[in-house]
Amino acid sequence: GAVVSQHPSWVICKSGTSVKIECRSLDFQATTMFWYRQFPKQSLMLMATSNEGSKATYEQGVEKDKFLINHASLTLSTLTVTSAHPEDSSFYICSASSISGANVLTFGAGSRLTVL
Amino acid sequence: AQSVSQHNHHVILSEAASLELGCNYSYGGTVNLFWYVQYPGQHLQLLLKYFSGDPLVKGIKGFEAEFIKSKFSFNLRKPSVQWSDTAEYFCAVSGSGNTGKLIFGQGTTLQVKP
Repeated sequence: GAVVSQHPSWVICKSGTSVKIECRSLDFQATTMFWYRQFPKQSLMLMATSNEGSKATYEQGVEKDKFLINHASLTLSTLTVTSAHPEDSSFYICSASSISGANVLTFGAGSRLTVL
Repeated sequence: AQSVSQHNHHVILSEAASLELGCNYSYGGTVNLFWYVQYPGQHLQLLLKYFSGDPLVKGIKGFEAEFIKSKFSFNLRKPSVQWSDTAEYFCAVSGSGNTGKLIFGQGTTLQVKP
């Protein structure tokens, strides 16, 4: 079946630094990838929609200059948290939709970011 | 406003007990509905989905859900739970034209005692 891989699965960084998280579709091509954020004991919140070859679409309230998204190929999307602060500590999850359009998302295992 | 509400935050059952997890949504227009499961330490997996047709949907591992349009509900059921069903369960909704933009409920933690 379809597999989405995220890297790193866990990262700790100092406040003010930037962190890049990768999301790869391993056995299918993904025209669209989605980035979600999950706070402890809370639900997943959609941050942005990443489209291959075009700019990402951000949800209301999500700072596009803070969370840079690049979808350079049909198998890779990256989320860069710029100038990270402790309040950015969270679980970031990506998901992908295949070109074939099964209308079902495949989720990655998530990346836990801790900003000190 | 678009939202999904899951009634139970934490459910504890004994093995072989029946399960029903409530899910209500608020969303304008035609919807697609999903239940996802997240086992401890693992990623989200799709249990079942409803797009159209028979409102009683059967998923993997013996789960089923019923879409009741008049009640804006999509409750998840299983007649007999197993210890291996211990997990976090998320209900989600999307517009029919964009199944990628999911709105999730807050999740229900199911603990099954052996």
